[in-house]
Amino acid sequence: GAGVSQSPSNKVTEKGKDVELRCDPISGHTALYWYRQRLGQGLEFLIYFQGNSAPDKSGLPSDRFSAERTGESVSTLTIQRTQQEDSAVYLCASSGTTSFTDTQYFGPGTRLTVL
Amino acid sequence: AQKITQTQPGMFVQEKEAVTLDCTYDTSDQSYGLFWYKQPSSGEMIFLIYQGSYDEQNATEGRYSLNFQKARKSANLVISASQLGDSAMYFCAMREGLRSSASKIIFGSGTRLSIRP
Repeated sequence: GAGVSQSPSNKVTEKGKDVELRCDPISGHTALYWYRQRLGQGLEFLIYFQGNSAPDKSGLPSDRFSAERTGESVSTLTIQRTQQEDSAVYLCASSGTTSFTDTQYFGPGTRLTVL
Repeated sequence: AQKITQTQPGMFVQEKEAVTLDCTYDTSDQSYGLFWYKQPSSGEMIFLIYQGSYDEQNATEGRYSLNFQKARKSANLVISASQLGDSAMYFCAMREGLRSSASKIIFGSGTRLSIRP
């Protein structure tokens, strides 16, 4: 029963480079979420995958951000042409179903620093 | 649009005292879930407690209880007998129900709780 895992745990990149962040949800979890948390701030919703339905991308801040998920497995969040304002912790969470009663469990996050 | 409001950016409480963290929400759905999470300085998000909109009893989990007042749309977290290890950021969150396109979870801005010895 492993929890949600994310890799890398830390990523330092130069402005303008592309980065790819990975999330492994809890096995069998249908729903997967990505959040961004800037230093000292709350969680900002980015994108939500809900089983086989179309993802809710309403939180993606710009077209430089994209995410994919194949079935109920791994998800990758890609940030193209990174900017310094992209520096944050990127948190992934999964929940067993898409029911409103279902708790989401978080991974440890990826700390992204854009120089 | 759904919205979560936490009006207390920071709180200081004496060890062993009880503390209430405020949370109000706004939704037009009848079915929704309310969650509280704790985020210590290590950064991990720890699930604390859940309350469903149809639950008649207030949720309790050990020293945590949720004071759910549906008519007022409030879901305050109560921590009894606070401990030094309770010092952390606390986030209130909501997930709407039947409209699947709106079932993402939205978080409040958080309350930083500091426990004094």
